[in-house]
This record gives sequence, structure tokens and C-alpha cells, in this order.
Amino acid sequence: EVQLVESGGGLVQPGGSLRLSCVASGFIFNNYYISWVRQAPGKGLEWVANIGQDGSEENYVDSVKGRFTISRDNAENSLYLQMNSLRAEDTAVYYCARTREYVGHDYWGQGTLVTVSS
Amino acid sequence: DIQLTQSPSSLSASVGDRVTITCRASQDINSYLAWYQQKPGKAPKLLIYAAFTLQSGVPSRFSGSGSGTEFTLTISSLQSEDFATYYCQQVKSYPPTFGQGTKLEIK
Repeated sequence: EVQLVESGGGLVQPGGSLRLSCVASGFIFNNYYISWVRQAPGKGLEWVANIGQDGSEENYVDSVKGRFTISRDNAENSLYLQMNSLRAEDTAVYYCARTREYVGHDYWGQGTLVTVSS
Repeated sequence: DIQLTQSPSSLSASVGDRVTITCRASQDINSYLAWYQQKPGKAPKLLIYAAFTLQSGVPSRFSGSGSGTEFTLTISSLQSEDFATYYCQQVKSYPPTFGQGTKLEIK
């Protein structure tokens, strides 16, 4: 069974940092792109970033470029999102999702809530 | 960035109804479109990819069509478990943008 489990969310002050993690199981992790997708409270979905199978390719939405860094550890079947210089508008549930190029996100974690507030 | 506009934004329907949701892209995306269903407090679920290909395990009452800039998601006979919010997403180019969502409610 494919599973993705996020952790690391919480309350952080504006300008602060947080590192999200996602542990995958049930599939060959290094065969897939993995993405982070977020959803602000009561709002729609926003793709944030993805990373290629070997970690050599990273893509980001403009609003997080230079502040967020996606990475992966294939030996540990893990995905990470380092979030720096956090803003109130980064408040959201963050999902990790297995991604198939030109298909979409076929498996999702349960999400972890990040709240940026003073 | 490619913009996706869904219509309607909300829809009231009854069990057994046939429902169609439209997604329009700001530029040609060929057939690189996915549809997701999201229920409150839950992660999205992939329903359809490549505009019309049903994801494994998704009931056949769901279908997708279209190419280029106009796409539709159709539910042929609504069931109680289908009341949710639906999103389209283009996966042709970065960033892979989502539509704003269509909330399907019980009439």
C-alpha cells in the first residue's frame, strides 16, 4: 500500500523557519518525482515545488523561490521542505504527493498544518 | 503561468443527477489535464488524468473529455459520496496550476 506521511508543521513567527518531512512507503521511492502542494485555510490548491527522482532537478512556484528548498533522501525514502523567511501567506496545510510527469499527483499524504503568525 | 478557470464555482444537485464541470485553460495544454476530488479535511484524490483516463479504482460514472483549452468532468449519476470539491490541474508546463475549484453540494 502506498503511503506518504508528513510531519514538521506547527506555529512559527513571521520571518522564521520550519522544515517539513514526508516519509514514503509501499513503492519504489527513487522512481518518482515528489511534490509539495499546499492549501491555505478555506482556499484552493497551490503547487509549491517538486523534485526529480535523483534530486538533481528542482522546480518551484515563483512565490517561494529563494525562500523554500526541496530535497530528498532516497536511502531513507524521505522528502523534505526547508522553509525560510516565512510569511503569513505561507499559512496552509502542506501535502506531499507522488507525482507522475504529465499525469499529476496520484497519491497524497494527509497533510501537515503550518501557521505563520506572531 | 497558465490560468485555469472552472465553472461553475459551486453547484447544487440531487442524487441521480448528471453533472458537468468545465475547466478552461488560458492557453493550449493539449490533453495534459487532471481532475481531483477533495472532501472536507481530507487530501485530494486523483480521478482522471490525461483529460479522459480514469485513475485505477475510480467509478466509471466519472468521465473526462476535452483537449486544447476546454475540458469537462462529468458525473453521470450522482451518488451521495460524490458531494465534494473538484479541482482541475494542468500538468503541461511549470508551474502546474490548479483551477479555483467547484463545490458540489446536495440540493
